[in-house]
Amino acid sequence: KNQVEQSPQSLIILEGKNCTLQCNYTVSPFSNLRWYKQDTGRGPVSLTIMTFSENTKSNGRYTATLDADTKQSSLHITASQLSDSASYICVVSAREYGNKLVFGAGTILRVKS
Amino acid sequence: DGGITQSPKYLFRKEGQNVTLSCEQNLNHDAMYWYRQDPGQGLRLIYYSQIVNDFQKGDIAEGYSVSREKKESFPLTVTSAQKNPTAFYLCASSMGVGVEQYFGPGTRLTVT
Repeated sequence: KNQVEQSPQSLIILEGKNCTLQCNYTVSPFSNLRWYKQDTGRGPVSLTIMTFSENTKSNGRYTATLDADTKQSSLHITASQLSDSASYICVVSAREYGNKLVFGAGTILRVKS
Repeated sequence: DGGITQSPKYLFRKEGQNVTLSCEQNLNHDAMYWYRQDPGQGLRLIYYSQIVNDFQKGDIAEGYSVSREKKESFPLTVTSAQKNPTAFYLCASSMGVGVEQYFGPGTRLTVT
């Protein structure tokens, strides 16, 4: 069964600190891996998208890494801000199933001052 | 102002009633999707449509119905047959299947 597992489930950090969120997947073969940010009560917004041949991609203070061999991805947030408080969702596109998206449950990040 | 709109933001219904959630996009996207989000779970696909007048069941279509009469609109009806309808519903659209999906703001449905 194609799955996407994220850890930790939730995380609390102090403003200005860095953090790293993890994503392990079993989807294979896959077309791409995406990270979304979802504010409470809102729709997800795309942060990064990587194909299987890419190792890293940055979007401002967000940097995603991908190891296709171990089927792991991480999202690193640098110098966190209060506005980073949100759920971060890892999504893998399953090539075998017409690029169907398989969603992780998300990591809830809370940044406090 | 381009984007995807969903209405209403909050919806309350009594058990046994059908309810229709609205989703409109002005991005000229061909594909549209409906997802359901429950606490502690990833988004699950209910229905999707790749083109006008055509739609396909997703992973959890039972108790739901959709129509795609216009490119811009993809309404979702939650029927009384859906056993656990209380959830956060998200609509998305994309230029085609497998490319970037853009999400609407969501509708929170509560059925009592």
